Parts: sequence; C-alpha cells; structure tokens
Amino acid sequence: EDQVTQSPEALRLQEGESSSLNCSYTVSGLRGLFWYRQDPGKGPEFLFTLYSAGEEKEKERLKATLTKKESFLHITAPKPEDSATYLCAVQGSGAGSYQLTFGKGTKLSVIP
Amino acid sequence: GAGVSQTPSNKVTEKGKYVELRCDPISGHTALYWYRQSLGQGPEFLIYFQGTGAADDSGLPNDRFFAVRPEGSVSTLKIQRTERGDSAVYLCASSWTTNTEAFFGQGTRLTVV
Repeated sequence: EDQVTQSPEALRLQEGESSSLNCSYTVSGLRGLFWYRQDPGKGPEFLFTLYSAGEEKEKERLKATLTKKESFLHITAPKPEDSATYLCAVQGSGAGSYQLTFGKGTKLSVIP
Repeated sequence: GAGVSQTPSNKVTEKGKYVELRCDPISGHTALYWYRQSLGQGPEFLIYFQGTGAADDSGLPNDRFFAVRPEGSVSTLKIQRTERGDSAVYLCASSWTTNTEAFFGQGTRLTVV
C-alpha cells in the first residue's frame, strides 16, 4: 500500500525566511510524485510533477526535489501570498496505478 | 471549459436524503476522478472513469455511493440515504491520461444534518 507522510504539519515563517517542507513516501514503483497547493475553501492547485530521483523543478519561489524516499519543497524568500496548505501525492505502478495517494499536507503561514 | 467545474459549491441535506453532485471536467480530458477530503486530511480516492466506464470504484465506501459518466464528459456522484459521516468536501479532477497531472475543481462541501 502506498503511503505519504508530510512534515511538519504546520509551519510559520517570517516574510523572507526560507525553509523546506518534507514529503516521505513508500510506493511500489513510483510513476510520479506531485505537489499541489490548496487555499482554504478551494480545490488543490497543481504545482509540480517529479518522476525520478535527482529531478528538480522550479516555479517562482518554489523548488521541488526528489530522492528515492522523499521529496522536498523549498520555499525561498516567501511572501504572505505563499500562505496555503501544500499537499504531496504519489502515483505508484501497482494495482490502482491511476490513483493519487495524498499526505495530510503542511499548512504554511507567512507572516509579514 | 477553462477548468474543472463542480456544482453545487455547497450542499446541506438532512440525514437519509439523496444527493447528486455534478462535475464538468476540462474539455478533452478522458480521465475523471472523484476524491473525498475530510477536515485536516488529504484527499482520498473514490472512483476513476476512463471515458464512460468506471475503471475502478474500489474507493467508494459502500453501496450507498454511485457515480456515472454516461457520455464520457460530465460525471455525477450520487449518494443515497446520506449519513452524518458523509459530510466532507467532494473533489473532482480530470486529466488527459492517467500518466499526466490531474487538475481539480473547487469541490462541493456536503453537510449532512
């Protein structure tokens, strides 16, 4: 069974204070690891897909990296508008390989 | 359409009633998914459609839940004899194929009183 654990559950940062969110996973054959951003009362918004260890992707102040056991979402010089819950999900190659298995998310608050 | 559209945004129903939740996917997307999200949790898979057929309904919690996609586009999630434990946000997502990223709608918040 695929599993995803995200840490920390919540993170408060001062504006401009860089940090990283962690996503640890176990999966039978990784087809893809996905990062989503979710604002209160909204559906998840797609950010990145990573497919293999060593891969990195960037978008504005966000950078996602992947190893064989975990992924990190690095936030550089965050702004208040980066406040949201960040969700990590994996897609495996076993039974039900089209399903996404999500973690519980990390709630990020960026204080001005 | 420009994105995945779900209606209604909010639904309050009495215990024991029947409800239907609608999802209009991104035009051209053949894969459609329903997920359920409880407070403080990540979304949990319910059912997956490839075209018109339900390719996998293993995530549906019991036989009170049913979903259709008769023409391979719009989908409806149907819940019979609702229970208070069914209260959650129901999310719909679509993608070009199962190998590409899924895009989510804004969700339907269902409250059973």
